[in-house]
Amino acid sequence: GQNIDQPTEMTATEGAIVQINCTYQTSGFNGLFWYQQHAGEAPTFLSYNVLDGLEEKGRFSSFLSRSKGYSYLLLKELQMKDSASYLCAVRAVSGGYNKLIFGAGTRLAVHP
Amino acid sequence: NAGVTQTPKFRILKIGQSMTLQCTQDMNHNYMYWYRQDPGMGLKLIYYSVGAGITDKGEVPNGYNVSRSTTEDFPLRLELAAPSQTSVYFCASSYDRNTEAFFGQGTRLTVV
Repeated sequence: GQNIDQPTEMTATEGAIVQINCTYQTSGFNGLFWYQQHAGEAPTFLSYNVLDGLEEKGRFSSFLSRSKGYSYLLLKELQMKDSASYLCAVRAVSGGYNKLIFGAGTRLAVHP
Repeated sequence: NAGVTQTPKFRILKIGQSMTLQCTQDMNHNYMYWYRQDPGMGLKLIYYSVGAGITDKGEVPNGYNVSRSTTEDFPLRLELAAPSQTSVYFCASSYDRNTEAFFGQGTRLTVV
């Protein structure tokens, strides 16, 4: 089976940096995604890691260590609009097919 | 581009009623998914499909059925609605296992 863990809630200050961690246990690991979801809206894609290391996209970066079953999402220069839930999702092979399984999400509140 | 389109956006069902949630995508994606999201929680995978004619169960398939007769459409069927199926349902699609999933805007279902 799969298990994905993220902190439930985090708070941070506008302009600061925040790191959201994700740990996973899964068989047939085949990549890790981060999504952003504002309240009442659909998730939107942020980043994808399949190899170890850091992927940078503007103010957002994501890191993966496959041997440790660990990823983090780094948000720099926080803005109020970054207040949202951040979902870690793992792609895993099961029965020959690829499933996309989500963690429970981390609710981030950015305050002035 | 329309992307992933879900209908209806809102629905209230009585216990024991049946309904079909529609999902269609115009991006020629092979993979399609159905998730449910309970208030304050993450996404749970109900069913997924890796191509026309191929479907498989996710984490929480009980009480639901799917079919994939075309690449574009992936309807989700609830046969005997129960209050436990009150949730927001998201349909998503991706081109393949290495690309991000795009989400529809969701269907808010209430079973009373």
